[in-house]
Amino acid sequence: AQTVTQSQPEMSVQEAETVTLSCTYDTSENNYYLFWYKQPPSRQMILVIRQEAYKQQNATENRFSVNFQKAAKSFSLKISDSQLGDTAMYFCAFMTTNSGYALNFGKGTSLLVTP
Amino acid sequence: SQTIHQWPATLVQPVGSPLSLECTVEGTSNPNLYWYRQAAGRGLQLLFYSVGIGQISSEVPQNLSASRPQDRQFILSSKKLLLSDSGFYLCAWEALNYGYTFGSGTRLTVV
Repeated sequence: AQTVTQSQPEMSVQEAETVTLSCTYDTSENNYYLFWYKQPPSRQMILVIRQEAYKQQNATENRFSVNFQKAAKSFSLKISDSQLGDTAMYFCAFMTTNSGYALNFGKGTSLLVTP
Repeated sequence: SQTIHQWPATLVQPVGSPLSLECTVEGTSNPNLYWYRQAAGRGLQLLFYSVGIGQISSEVPQNLSASRPQDRQFILSSKKLLLSDSGFYLCAWEALNYGYTFGSGTRLTVV
């Protein structure tokens, strides 16, 4: 079974600072995809960034980047120049091509950006 | 462009009453469709997924069922709601390993 672990239930960062959210996963699969989703107070789930396991290069999307360590099964999210609008729950998620491409989510990290 | 619609946004139902939540997708054909539940302060739990019309896979045995009567329609149902069915329900479709697009969710309160 695949599991996703987010060990930080809550985090706080000051505006304009950098914060890193941790995620580890467990799988015996070799081909898979990893995602970070953001859920603001509106509860709309928004895709932040994705990473294919076969790609060694870390994905980046503007202020968001990941540190993907395949051997360690680690997939952390770095948010640079944090903004107040980044306040949200952040979910790490894992997908294989098995089981109908179902996404397995971690329990989430609540991030608060303070002025 | 692809869009996903989910309704209603909010629902308050008494224990023992039936439930029907509907999700439709536009702008794509033969999508993989999913129902997730998010309990208060917790992560997302996969309930059902469908890879085609009439094809439903259940991940968690429970009081709920799902149906896919049309290619772009996915329905979550219950004959008799329990208090434990309260939560935030999200429909999603999967776009070729690019991740999911989620609906706006339904907040269900069973009283």
